[in-house]
Amino acid sequence: QVQLQESGPGLVKPSQTLSLTCSVSGDSISSGGYYWSWIRQPAGKGLEWIGRVYPSGSTNYNPSLKSRVTMSVDKSKNQFSLSLSSVTAADTAVYYCALRFGLAWGQGTLVTVSS
Amino acid sequence: DIVMTQTPDSLAVSLGERATINCKSSQSVLYNSTNQSYLAWYQQKPGQPPKLLIYWASTRESGVPDRFSGSGSGTDFTLTINSLQAEDVAVYYCQQYYYTPYTFGQGARLEIK
Repeated sequence: QVQLQESGPGLVKPSQTLSLTCSVSGDSISSGGYYWSWIRQPAGKGLEWIGRVYPSGSTNYNPSLKSRVTMSVDKSKNQFSLSLSSVTAADTAVYYCALRFGLAWGQGTLVTVSS
Repeated sequence: DIVMTQTPDSLAVSLGERATINCKSSQSVLYNSTNQSYLAWYQQKPGQPPKLLIYWASTRESGVPDRFSGSGSGTDFTLTINSLQAEDVAVYYCQQYYYTPYTFGQGARLEIK
């Protein structure tokens, strides 16, 4: 059974770049040709799909964030990552990584944007 | 973007009774070649990530109790919870994964009456 775990700074200053990593265990990140997603949830609010990355490195981003998002895969570490630039308080949320559209989820990591 | 609209926003149901949550998509998420609708349902409890209940609109995820069922096709979908248990109190989300950006409904809060 695939397990995912997010990691990264819990506090990011405004205008800086948020960087998170998702470590995958229980299977190879390259197996099955599956894609991997990032999803976020502001406190008390709904879910927002940020984008997805394939093992090949191909990506699809939410147009609402596209200009600020970069996703990548590190097959050697069985990890994939998210970078979100020029953050503001509106980017404060719990960030989840997931297998495909949501077959499995990490526990989530809270990222607060504040000076 | 496809807009997913859930109704109701919240509901209170007695233990042992049936709960029904609806989800409507602004465009069809049915892939005609396979006759599969790219629609999932999740349960989220406080402090936890969403848990996948149903995918392909009606396929129950392994380990999910059979009191949970999904139905519908195209643009209109329903999550039904039979014989409501106390542990079913949660927020329920639908999600379309046919078109990117994938989108979620606003959530439906289920409580015990």
